[in-house]
Amino acid sequence: NAGVTQTPKFQVLKTGQSMTLQCAQDMNHNSMYWYRQDPGMGLRLIYYSASEGTTDKGEVPNGYNVSRLNKREFSLRLESAAPSQTSVYFCASSVPPPSQEQYFGPGTRLTVT
Amino acid sequence: GDSVTQMEGPVTLSEEAFLTINCTYTATGYPSLFWYVQYPGEGLQLLLKATKADDKGSNKGFEATYRKETTSFHLEKGSVQVSDSAVYFCALNNAGNMLTFGGGTRLMVKP
Repeated sequence: NAGVTQTPKFQVLKTGQSMTLQCAQDMNHNSMYWYRQDPGMGLRLIYYSASEGTTDKGEVPNGYNVSRLNKREFSLRLESAAPSQTSVYFCASSVPPPSQEQYFGPGTRLTVT
Repeated sequence: GDSVTQMEGPVTLSEEAFLTINCTYTATGYPSLFWYVQYPGEGLQLLLKATKADDKGSNKGFEATYRKETTSFHLEKGSVQVSDSAVYFCALNNAGNMLTFGGGTRLMVKP
């Protein structure tokens, strides 16, 4: 049981380049999430998807787009990377209510130069 | 809106010391409360949870009690080990799909 997987683990981009971060879960969860974690800070929600076919903005959506490809997969795209997007990105999926606990992937460390 | 406040770190302890990491929250209704742990270079893992007032969550020697009267969910462990060194996050879920996280508290345990 792999849980939540993310690719790539590390990425270096130049300003203006684009890339897509991939996330997949094998726990049959409806809800999936993308967070970013900056040094010395907690996690901030970028986008989430409550179910297949739906996506909603979180706290810091600017500069990002998402796609919920199917129930398993939820991708995050940076169309034109900026140094301010240097961060560690985590994908998560969650158990339905009442439990609501989230399971996290190992993260993608992104550096934009 | 909902919010979670944790004590700022780092918290530095010697092995076998008693640990308390304070967490208080602001939320309407009856949120579920969680503690997550993040080991170096890894994602977050659920450590324990409590879904209603006076519930005690426990795991791996860690405990936290849901105190609605003080809106708190403090994390405790009687005897920490070097392997407990990590960042600990308090979080709440208030009848929705999203977690609200505290800022995290780094724990360093010295041999």
